[in-house]
Amino acid sequence: DAMVIQNPRYQVTQFGKPVTLSCSQTLNHNVMYWYQQKSSQAPKLLFHYYDKDFNNEADTPDNFQSRRPNTSFCFLDIRSPGLGDAAMYLCATSEDSGGYTYEQYFGPGTRLTVT
Amino acid sequence: GDSVTQMEGPVTLSEEAFLTINCTYTATGYPSLFWYVQYPGEGLQLLLKATKADDKGSNKGFEATYRKETTSFHLEKGSVQVSDSAVYFCALSSDSWGKLQFGAGTQVVVTP
Repeated sequence: DAMVIQNPRYQVTQFGKPVTLSCSQTLNHNVMYWYQQKSSQAPKLLFHYYDKDFNNEADTPDNFQSRRPNTSFCFLDIRSPGLGDAAMYLCATSEDSGGYTYEQYFGPGTRLTVT
Repeated sequence: GDSVTQMEGPVTLSEEAFLTINCTYTATGYPSLFWYVQYPGEGLQLLLKATKADDKGSNKGFEATYRKETTSFHLEKGSVQVSDSAVYFCALSSDSWGKLQFGAGTQVVVTP
């Protein structure tokens, strides 16, 4: 089945220690998104890639970076995690075709704990 | 800017009861509307969608109709099951690249 895969599902890191979360997709979609979701809140968009073009949300902290080396993979790097960065991180993909963007498909998420 | 407002939860129901979750939106232009469901510890799953006025989205017994005149997209299910316990998010997309604007989410708890 075509899908969005996130690894690991659970990640524990120490305060200030860089961490990388990964996302891969077999849908061959050209748009990939990273969301942060804190407990009992809606997902908050951090940034998205349209093909290789990176688009940052205005309120995304500089502490969060992303890389997309190819169509299938996208990484979220948190350079110096703080306690406030503990959250579920969701990756999503969609296909933009002819100016129309279809619905987003989400991965299962990575729950990040910062100790 | 665009926004989505949905009813606060938790909504607690008995099995086989009727479920309605209200969702209204504010947007310029003609957004696409979605309902996503999130089960505990999981990512979001698309439940249904509607892309133009008067469209009805349906899936797994859930339905929602895109009402432009009332700017609403209420979610309904005629007979809920315990397995429907989850958080439901209403969302809209009006940007060309599909950015989603989510409502705050409504937790639904169905008891046997």
